[in-house]
Amino acid sequence: AQKITQTQPGMFVQEKEAVTLDCTYDTSDQSYGLFWYKQPSSGEMIFLIYQGSYDEQNATEGRYSLNFQKARKSANLVISASQLGDSAMYFCAMREGRGGGADGLTFGKGTHLIIQP
Amino acid sequence: NAGVTQTPKFQVLKTGQSMTLQCAQDMNHEYMSWYRQDPGMGLRLIHYSVGAGITDQGEVPNGYNVSRSTTEDFPLRLLSAAPSQTSVYFCAVRQFLTDTQYFGPGTRLTVL
Repeated sequence: AQKITQTQPGMFVQEKEAVTLDCTYDTSDQSYGLFWYKQPSSGEMIFLIYQGSYDEQNATEGRYSLNFQKARKSANLVISASQLGDSAMYFCAMREGRGGGADGLTFGKGTHLIIQP
Repeated sequence: NAGVTQTPKFQVLKTGQSMTLQCAQDMNHEYMSWYRQDPGMGLRLIHYSVGAGITDQGEVPNGYNVSRSTTEDFPLRLLSAAPSQTSVYFCAVRQFLTDTQYFGPGTRLTVL
């Protein structure tokens, strides 16, 4: 079974609209971390936002927020007021275990977001 | 991605050739790792290191070697390149006891 599932291979959204990118995860660990990265066409991986499993509040970073629903094992990324520069691939990733150690990230397959003017 | 550099940016190899992908950081972070990204896929962990002299395997280590003699550098070696190793390779760093990993700009490798 996939540990990270992103069910939207591609999305088209009108500029200035809000966008929700879906991510569900599978882990039996109590302590884990969830991440979103943006990969524009230039190829670099840009860190957007992080949510720890014990964090009670949803993470926010500027126009990005993470809708964390622990019981449903979902960690959706919400982008408010989308901009043309938001067009990119978006990856959800998870770190299992207690963290601080040798824990790599497991990535989903990504969602290709295209913002239309 | 300031602080994490990767060289070269692009490389074309013939099957059987060897090469080393370089990763260097000036952030003094303990944890460094290598990932590969194949078309239509997310990144997959190849090898990682929690400090100088300590390395271990990730999800897809076959065909790759690593060593870490300094905090700053974490080279990835392909001893005998195969077409299946055609991919984009990313180096990542993070501080111990923190979660966020920061990625280098990537190396695009093609093996013919």
